[in-house]
Amino acid sequence: SAVISQKPSRDICQRGTSLTIQCQVDSQVTMMFWYRQQPGQSLTLIATANQGSEATYESGFVIDKFPISRPNLTFSTLTVSNMSPEDSSIYLCSVVRGHTTSEQYFGPGTRLTVT
Amino acid sequence: AQRVTQPEKLLSVFKGAPVELKCNYSYSGSPELFWYVQYSRQRLQLLLRHISRESIKGFTADLNKGETSFHLKKPFAQEEDSAMYYCALRHGSSNTGKLIFGQGTTLQVKP
Repeated sequence: SAVISQKPSRDICQRGTSLTIQCQVDSQVTMMFWYRQQPGQSLTLIATANQGSEATYESGFVIDKFPISRPNLTFSTLTVSNMSPEDSSIYLCSVVRGHTTSEQYFGPGTRLTVT
Repeated sequence: AQRVTQPEKLLSVFKGAPVELKCNYSYSGSPELFWYVQYSRQRLQLLLRHISRESIKGFTADLNKGETSFHLKKPFAQEEDSAMYYCALRHGSSNTGKLIFGQGTTLQVKP
């Protein structure tokens, strides 16, 4: 398995501000992903965090709004920029260790509320 | 388009009753199907995957390509099975690792 931590675990932010969420894994992983779970909804993939290069974003998500970094094989950050109340969600980091078809592990999530 | 559908938001059963959580998918290739579970105040975790063809905590799920379904079943529900269950799909031959999740079903097992 993989031990994944996220910081912060929760935050309340004002609209127009930005928040950076950190994801730390206890050992090197092949792939890292960022998901969003809006209230009462399922998980939606935001992007794949690529080590040393720009993230790969899913349809409907853009780098200006959700800049992502992955400087090494165990760490990634997601920034939610210029926040609005619609950004209130749980943001989850997930990782795959080994082959890309291996099990995907999820972090505990960051609960973001935008007022 | 790739899609995973879980038609029930809430499924409530009594302890000892059989459980079936429905999952249907839309995908033209060879998908991998998974069931993830999230217990109260815990993180999302893998319950089972169709390629393993195993039983975990008494749960089984069979991939039915004809009906494009991957329903999760347990013959006798336990109170500790109460949780949120998500069905998910991954492209079988892709190297992207991406998962597509259904809407989730809350299973409530009453004593």
